[in-house]
Amino acid sequence: GENVEQHPSTLSVQEGDSAVIKCTYSDSASNYFPWYKQELGKRPQLIIDIRSNVGEKKDQRIAVTLNKTAKHFSLHITETQPEDSAVYFCAAWGTALIFGKGTTLSVSS
Amino acid sequence: NAGVTQTPKFQVLKTGQSMTLQCAQDMNHEYMSWYRQDPGMGLRLIHYSVGAGITDQGEVPNGYNVSRSTTEDFPLRLLSAAPSQTSVYFCASSYTGISSYNSPLHFGNGTRLTVT
Repeated sequence: GENVEQHPSTLSVQEGDSAVIKCTYSDSASNYFPWYKQELGKRPQLIIDIRSNVGEKKDQRIAVTLNKTAKHFSLHITETQPEDSAVYFCAAWGTALIFGKGTTLSVSS
Repeated sequence: NAGVTQTPKFQVLKTGQSMTLQCAQDMNHEYMSWYRQDPGMGLRLIHYSVGAGITDQGEVPNGYNVSRSTTEDFPLRLLSAAPSQTSVYFCASSYTGISSYNSPLHFGNGTRLTVT
């Protein structure tokens, strides 16, 4: 089945810096790659997603890139703000949606 | 639209007890799934369903049963609770189905389960 690896597990940045989270997946049939943000005690919320026929997608300060050949995809957050502090999960959908273990992002002001 | 509704929000069980976590959605989603979340382990898939009458095992199915008799409901049954099943459980649904394009998961608010 699908296996998703996510790095780093923790990431600390200064406000205004960029943050990058990287994921790899194993199932070449996976075709949908969402990213979720989870604040403490709350449910995961979708922040951006990308399909396998697209290489890059951007939504304001957030962008995602996908390299199907290498089976990896990345989340880029620019101009980070303290409210970006949360746990971020990548996921890959082959037959079902499988998540990475998460990245705890801390943005200090 | 209530979205995805999970009950109860909190539950404490003794080892060996059984119980059912309820999940209902009112968005006519074909796909429903259950995850457990433990510190440092991310969200691990327990069981999922691509439509009424169809269920399949995820990454960590042992100790759990599911059924999907209607499109709206997808209950998760713990047959004989163990301390290792202490976790936060999330139900999630999506338009994705047997013949549908994969689409975002919508999560419920979670059930925090403690087994003593």
